[in-house]
Amino acid sequence: EPEVTQTPSHQVTQMGQEVILRCVPISNHLYFYWYRQILGQKVEFLVSFYNNEISEKSEIFDDQFSVERPDGSNFTLKIRSTKLEDSAMYFCASSAQGTRSPLHFGNGTRLTVT
Amino acid sequence: GQQLNQSPQSMFIQEGEDVSMNCTSSSIFNTWLWYKQDPGEGPVLLIALYKAGELTSNGRLTAQFGITRKDSFLNISASIPSDVGIYFCAGQLNTGTASKLTFGTGTRLQVTL
Repeated sequence: EPEVTQTPSHQVTQMGQEVILRCVPISNHLYFYWYRQILGQKVEFLVSFYNNEISEKSEIFDDQFSVERPDGSNFTLKIRSTKLEDSAMYFCASSAQGTRSPLHFGNGTRLTVT
Repeated sequence: GQQLNQSPQSMFIQEGEDVSMNCTSSSIFNTWLWYKQDPGEGPVLLIALYKAGELTSNGRLTAQFGITRKDSFLNISASIPSDVGIYFCAGQLNTGTASKLTFGTGTRLQVTL
């Protein structure tokens, strides 16, 4: 069964550094998402992306965050200047359509900011 | 923002027992989904519900979309050790073009032999 893949599985970075988290969504899906989960907490929506632009973003997704689909297969999340509180699991997801189409999640990237 | 509360927060059950957990919201959703998350992995979709009142099964799992559109429950029958994990409900409002999900607080299930 096709799946969403994310790399790296674990990223450690120093505060203030830029990080790029990478995702390869399911190939025929058109909608892409980033969610994050702080340790022990619930999964929170960050941003949705369709037709090469952001559809919706949460208040967590401030100017330090950006997303890009640089080619036909990758979908990236960039954090420009990481803060300690950015430490979390970051999940990429994709869906075939926008609504009535379940989201399929990757296994996540654990980001640790020191 | 929208809040989804799940209960119970955690539960220990014996293998073979039935499990019931539910999710309530302060506002309505058009779609309810149930996901399971194993340690170190992403959420895996178990059941999707698209219509108020809908009752859907997936093997030993049964879920219902409450008629008020503000709640949902998930039942697991005859639990087995691999049912261990965290179960999240998620609501979707279907506004705009993309599927923004609001996740619940999770129910941690642990099964004792």
